[in-house]
Amino acid sequence: DIQMTQSPSSLSASVGDRVTITCRASQSISSHLNWYQHKPGKAPKLLIYGASSLQSGVPSRFSGSGSGTDFTLTISSLQPEDFAAYFCLQSNSFPLTFGGGTKVEIK
Amino acid sequence: EVQLVESGGGLIQPGGSLRLSCAASGFIVSSNYMSWVRQAPGKGLEWVSVIYSGGNTYYADSVKGRFTISRDNSKNTLYLQMNSLRAEDTAVYYCARSYSGSYFFDYWGQGTLITVSS
Repeated sequence: DIQMTQSPSSLSASVGDRVTITCRASQSISSHLNWYQHKPGKAPKLLIYGASSLQSGVPSRFSGSGSGTDFTLTISSLQPEDFAAYFCLQSNSFPLTFGGGTKVEIK
Repeated sequence: EVQLVESGGGLIQPGGSLRLSCAASGFIVSSNYMSWVRQAPGKGLEWVSVIYSGGNTYYADSVKGRFTISRDNSKNTLYLQMNSLRAEDTAVYYCARSYSGSYFFDYWGQGTLITVSS
């Protein structure tokens, strides 16, 4: 199974800050890396697919980069509605596996 | 609008059985890969099972032989039959749709909580 290591597990940031979250795969997954936002009691929301493609309707302050084993989600200017949990998903092969998640909290 | 609504969660004793449902709207369940994913309290997400549009099914090793994924095309609903439940199956269970032709999920439900406890 492909292991996904996500960091940090949590971070505190202020509105307007630039935030970076990383996921590392235990083996190459090409560009089959996807990022989600998850708020309590809600359905997870797809932000980025294929490592860098912005899902329709997602604000452009979200961006993704990377390929192979190292990937990054960047929020260019954190907004109040962005305080949430974020996780990555590798969709290169079954079993699909997830990063451990990052909780973005208000500083 | 694509919507996924899970139901069927609750408290169940170890060794018991439960069937989860995921009612879909805005698309045809049988035209997409559909999965179940779970998240145990305080833990990360774990993929559980997938049913392909052609009907093939696959399971995580942790549930193989105990869980069965299926769908009812007439009801446009996905199911997860869970037997021989264990305490470690306690989790929020989500159904999720895979983007056409890919494995990643583009839509998820809000989840339903299963608690396995005596």
